[in-house]
Amino acid sequence: EVQLVQSGAEVKKPGESLKISCKGSGYSFTSYWIGWVRQMPGKGLEWMGIIYPGDSDTRYSPSFQGQVTISADKSISTAYLQWSSLKASDTAMYYCARHVESSSSSGIDYWGQGTLVTVSS
Amino acid sequence: SYELTQPPSVSVSPGQTARITCSGDALPKKYAYWYQQKSGQAPVLVIYEDSKRPSGIPERFSGSSSGTMATLTISGAQVEDEADYYCYSTDSSGNHRGVFGGGTKLTVL
Repeated sequence: EVQLVQSGAEVKKPGESLKISCKGSGYSFTSYWIGWVRQMPGKGLEWMGIIYPGDSDTRYSPSFQGQVTISADKSISTAYLQWSSLKASDTAMYYCARHVESSSSSGIDYWGQGTLVTVSS
Repeated sequence: SYELTQPPSVSVSPGQTARITCSGDALPKKYAYWYQQKSGQAPVLVIYEDSKRPSGIPERFSGSSSGTMATLTISGAQVEDEADYYCYSTDSSGNHRGVFGGGTKLTVL
């Protein structure tokens, strides 16, 4: 059974750094793109970026390029989303999501349970 | 940047057919995926590759795509289908960059 288990909720102050995690199991972690999706309070889903753990190839949405860092440690089947300096506007639920490729497209087939990040002074 | 456009809301009575559309310039070449998100829960895949249904998803959910528009159809909508629905696809760059539609709130009452 494919599972993506995310780290727990975080409460941080503006300017602090943060790294949240997503551990994959039940499949070959290095053979699928895995990415992150943001959902701000009361808003829709926003695709942030993906990484291919097999070779660490990483793609970002233009909206998130330079704002966050996506990484992965294939030895422990875990992907990460990192901020160097949080802002109040980073307050959101963050989902990790496994991507599957098909022809020239890709889509999300499995989701983590979400990690709530709250940034407040 | 690439965009997918959905209607903000759709409302039907129980037993009626609900149709949610998603338009995007790259849809003739890229698959559409559909996700259901109930309040306080993670999204769930309900349609992949335009029209395929994952195991465990009721047969009343179907998908189609023609030209620049993909459509999610719920035939005989049930009260439990009330949720937000999002379409998803990738842009035409070939870089696997994804994009979600703005989401459609389906009301069944």
